[in-house]
Amino acid sequence: EAGVTQFPSHSVIEKGQTVTLRCDPISGHDNLYWYRRVMGKEIKFLLHFVKESKQDESGMPNNRFLAERTGGTYSTLKVQPAELEDSGVYFCASSQFFQETQYFGPGTRLLVL
Amino acid sequence: AQRVTQPEKLLSVFKGAPVELKCNYSYSGSPELFWYVQYSRQRLQLLLRHISRESIKGFTADLNKGETSFHLKKPFAQEEDSAMYYCALGGATNKLIFGTGTLLAVQP
Repeated sequence: EAGVTQFPSHSVIEKGQTVTLRCDPISGHDNLYWYRRVMGKEIKFLLHFVKESKQDESGMPNNRFLAERTGGTYSTLKVQPAELEDSGVYFCASSQFFQETQYFGPGTRLLVL
Repeated sequence: AQRVTQPEKLLSVFKGAPVELKCNYSYSGSPELFWYVQYSRQRLQLLLRHISRESIKGFTADLNKGETSFHLKKPFAQEEDSAMYYCALGGATNKLIFGTGTLLAVQP
């Protein structure tokens, strides 16, 4: 069974540009989560989808971040415009049911110059 | 406030020595605690969760509500245990709150 996949694995962009990260959860997993770890800090929750609906987006840092999950399958996280402090590793996770184990993807390393 | 504290950034032990990775939490409700591990060049993966009370790869962790702790223990460290270990807190909202992580280095 394929695990959670994320694309791209790395992205280097300039401040002010736009970047879109993609996450494909494990097939059949209704719950999808985004987390990120910025330099020197802990992994922090961004938001949680149940199917195509945003269940909890309390961790989204500001309105430069937009997450979507059209059709309840894969999800995208767009950062527009990117700032230097957005650099870090963005993780996606999925789970089949609420409060079940979350399976993580390999992460996308974002560097904003 | 919900918080997870891992006081040690780095823990270095020799092979065969006991290991204890500390984790303390702050949570007003009924907590659900996890240990995740990230080996070099691999993704974050669940090591164990308190609700299942399993022993994985020789690791155990007991939830101590009185001390609000969930320390990870292993009696005899192996070199392949070298990795980054994260304690995480889950609750009613399902989002995980992570500690800053402890890098375990097992020396030969």
